[in-house]
Amino acid sequence: GDSVTQMEGPVTLSEEAFLTINCTYTATGYPSLFWYVQYPGEGLQLLLKATKADDKGSNKGFEATYRKETTSFHLEKGSVQVSDSAVYFCALSASSGAGSYQLTFGKGTKLSVIP
Amino acid sequence: NAGVTQTPKFRVLKTGQSMTLLCAQDMNHEYMYWYRQDPGMGLRLIHYSVGEGTTAKGEVPDGYNVSRLKKQNFLLGLESAAPSQTSVYFCASSELATLAGLGDTQYFGPGTRLTVL
Repeated sequence: GDSVTQMEGPVTLSEEAFLTINCTYTATGYPSLFWYVQYPGEGLQLLLKATKADDKGSNKGFEATYRKETTSFHLEKGSVQVSDSAVYFCALSASSGAGSYQLTFGKGTKLSVIP
Repeated sequence: NAGVTQTPKFRVLKTGQSMTLLCAQDMNHEYMYWYRQDPGMGLRLIHYSVGEGTTAKGEVPDGYNVSRLKKQNFLLGLESAAPSQTSVYFCASSELATLAGLGDTQYFGPGTRLTVL
């Protein structure tokens, strides 16, 4: 079945450091890929998405490129802020024929940014 | 718009008790979902609905039942709670099925933290 593997955390960075959170996937067909963010005590919010190979999703300074050849969707940000402290989830959606109306999530990576 | 709301926010149950979690959305979305979030496990789909009056099983449906009598509401029931159901429960909704090529967005509620003693 479909699966998402993302780097385990927690990740602790200093403010203005460069961020990379790795995400790789296994899926049949042609999935869409997502990054969701969960701030403390809140639900998940869509951060960015890409629906086909070589697409780049971007939002709030975060970027991720859909790499079909390496089955990856790594999240990057050039300069993190304290307000970026949250848990980040990589996810995919793919049609597997019989009504796969669901997202498959990675386990999440907790990011802490210190001043 | 309130988006997706969930009630209650917190609940403590004893083993064997029953309860219902309510999810409501005001975006006129067709699709609604219930997930559970456990430490180190990410989110796992319990049940979902592709429209009023319909429900379907997700990845971890055992011990739960759902109903979608109105388009805007999606109820999750625990008939006989067990400690293994201690978790944070999230409801989500979307306008289109999250199928490949569509990449539609799921909107999440704030969650319900349930503890079963």
